[in-house]
Amino acid sequence: NAGVMQNPRHLVRRRGQEARLRCSPMKGHSHVYWYRQLPEEGLKFMVYLQKENIIDESGMPKERFSAEFPKEGPSILRIQQVVRGDSAAYFCASLAGPSSYEQYFGPGTRLTVT
Amino acid sequence: DQQVKQNSPSLSVQEGRISILNCDYTNSMFDYFLWYKKYPAEGPTFLISISSIKDKNEDGRFTVFLNKSAKHLSLHIVPSQPGDSAVYFCAASGRGIQGAQKLVFGQGTRLTINP
Repeated sequence: NAGVMQNPRHLVRRRGQEARLRCSPMKGHSHVYWYRQLPEEGLKFMVYLQKENIIDESGMPKERFSAEFPKEGPSILRIQQVVRGDSAAYFCASLAGPSSYEQYFGPGTRLTVT
Repeated sequence: DQQVKQNSPSLSVQEGRISILNCDYTNSMFDYFLWYKKYPAEGPTFLISISSIKDKNEDGRFTVFLNKSAKHLSLHIVPSQPGDSAVYFCAASGRGIQGAQKLVFGQGTRLTINP
C-alpha cells in the first residue's frame, strides 16, 4: 500500500484500557488522514492532520478519542477507556500536499475490545 | 446521511466479461471522485480517479464514467480477471476546512470474478 506504515496490525484491549495506533506516512507526505471502518460498512473520516496541527477533526467522537502528528515521529490515534463499540479497523492515509487528491492507505490496525 | 451510495452489495461476473460497478452521490459540492480496491485484511488501494470537469477517465482495463447531472459514476473493468475479485469502494472528495480533502466513502461492492 504505497509505503504508508501502521502498527500494530492487530491490537486487543480490554474494556477501559487505552489503545494507541501509529501511522507513518509515505516519505515526503506531510498530510495524514485517519478513517474507521466498522464491519460491513465503508470507511468513515475521523481526522485530518498536518505536522503539529489538527486541521479537521469533525469526524472524531467528542470524548475519549484524540490524535496528534508531532514534528518528529508518527501520527498517533489514541482511544482512552475503550468500549466494545470501538472494535473496528482503523486506517491511516497520507497525501503529498493540498494540491493532491489521491490518498494512499496503510494496511490498517484491527482493534478488538474484549 | 449517506452522501455516497453503492446500492449493489455484491456482483458476480464471468472471467473475460465486463464488470460494471455503480455509485451515486448527493452532494453537488464534491469535485473529485476515486475508486479504491480492497482485499481482506489490507488497506484500500487506489485504482483510478476523475475530476468533476471530466466525464471519462481511462487507465488500462479500468474506465471511470461520471454523469454530473445524474450524480452518478461507474467503474468499468474489461476484461475482468480473477485477481479483480475484491471489494470496491467509491469515494468522493470536496474541499473542506483549510482545504481538507476528506474522502466520503460508499459502503462497497464485493466483486467476484468466476472462472
